[in-house]
Amino acid sequence: SQTIHQWPATLVQPVGSPLSLECTVEGTSNPNLYWYRQAAGRGLQLLFYSVGIGQISSEVPQNLSASRPQDRQFILSSKKLLLSDSGFYLCACRDRRSSYEQYFGPGTRLTVT
Amino acid sequence: GQNIDQPTEMTATEGAIVQINCTYQTSGFNGLFWYQQHAGEAPTFLSYNVLDGLEEKGRFSSFLSRSKGYSYLLLKELQMKDSASYLCAVVNYGGSQGNLIFGKGTKLSVKP
Repeated sequence: SQTIHQWPATLVQPVGSPLSLECTVEGTSNPNLYWYRQAAGRGLQLLFYSVGIGQISSEVPQNLSASRPQDRQFILSSKKLLLSDSGFYLCACRDRRSSYEQYFGPGTRLTVT
Repeated sequence: GQNIDQPTEMTATEGAIVQINCTYQTSGFNGLFWYQQHAGEAPTFLSYNVLDGLEEKGRFSSFLSRSKGYSYLLLKELQMKDSASYLCAVVNYGGSQGNLIFGKGTKLSVKP
C-alpha cells in the first residue's frame, strides 16, 4: 500500500515570504497526486492535481503553484505568502489502476503571520 | 454547480448509535466515500459506496441512494475514540481524473 511523506510538519512564515512544501510517495508508481488545503471550519479544498510528471491542473486561481518533477514527488510553492494562505495542507495519492480511493499524507500546518 | 451538505456538528453518548447524513448534487457520480479525520490528523478511509444499499463493516455502516442523492454513515456502539470529523466525498468524474469533491465535514463529539 501507499505511504505518503510530507514535510515539514509545521511551519510559521511571515507574510510575503516564499513557501515550498514537499510530498513524496512510496509503494506505487504513476499515481495521481493532489494538494488540498483545509482552513479552520472549512472543508477540504482541492488546489492542484497531477496525473503525471510535469502535468499539473489548477482548481483554484491563487498565488500558489505546484510542480511534479519526478513520478512520486509533488511540490507546492508560493513566491509571496498571504495571511489567507494559513491552513492545513494535505498531499494525497491515488492509484488509478485500482480504485478512486485517495490516501492522505500527515499534512503540514502552515501559519502565516 | 457542485454541492455536498452535511451537518456541521453532532453530539452523541458513548455506547449509543449515531447517523450522519450527506446529501449531494454533482454533475457526475462515480461513487461516494466516507473518511474519518481526527483533529490535526489526515483523513483515513472508512467506506466506499457506488451502488444503492447498505454496506456494513464492523461497527460502521454506510448507505447510498443514488436517486435521492443521499448517503448516511451509521456508527454503532459509540466509543470515545470515535470523536472526530466525518467527511463525505463524491467521485465526480470517472477514469483517470476521478477527483473527489468533499463536504465540509461533520464534527462528532462522543460524551461519556
